[in-house]
Amino acid sequence: AQSVTQLGSHVSVSEGALVLLRCNYSSSVPPYLFWYVQYPNQGLQLLLKYTSAATLVKGINGFEAEFKKSETSFHLTKPSAHMSDAAEYFCAVSDRETGGFKTIFGAGTRLFVKA
Amino acid sequence: DGGITQSPKYLFRKEGQNVTLSCEQNLNHDAMYWYRQDPGQGLRLIYYSQIVNDFQKGDIAEGYSVSREKKESFPLTVTSAQKNPTAFYLCASSSGTGGSYEQYFGPGTRLTVT
Repeated sequence: AQSVTQLGSHVSVSEGALVLLRCNYSSSVPPYLFWYVQYPNQGLQLLLKYTSAATLVKGINGFEAEFKKSETSFHLTKPSAHMSDAAEYFCAVSDRETGGFKTIFGAGTRLFVKA
Repeated sequence: DGGITQSPKYLFRKEGQNVTLSCEQNLNHDAMYWYRQDPGQGLRLIYYSQIVNDFQKGDIAEGYSVSREKKESFPLTVTSAQKNPTAFYLCASSSGTGGSYEQYFGPGTRLTVT
């Protein structure tokens, strides 16, 4: 069965500092992995996705994530945080067997950016 | 602009009343989904539909019902049988149901039942 674990419900960084949001997944077959961002009282927006083409995936707003099969991880990073990055971030997994409608979302990590 | 609209943004109801949340998409997507979001719990799937006139229960379907009479519309009814209906509800769509398809989300409806 698929599952997603996001380590840390809250992460706080200073403006200009590295952003690292952690995601570990469990899947019995090669997974598809996603990161979404949600601003307050809005829907989710796709940041990036991994579909096995390349292990390092670049997304919007300067974010990127690296798929590490040996660690079953898909951590999200951004070299320099901006105030506008403050939001909630969700890691999600689906797989080739169950299809997109079985996308499993993590509990989310809220990112705070200090001036 | 293509996208998903949900209405209303905020909805207030008395306990015991059924309420219907609207979701419309003009992305020409086949698949549509309804999620419930509660603080600290991520998104939980209520219902999904892969094609018109067909839909399946998700993980927390009890107390909810849906219809899919048109490709662009997927309304959700929260019935009086739903024990804890106060939540943020998100509608989404995708162009396919293969695992690599990302989902596009609407802005959500916040339902408060008192």
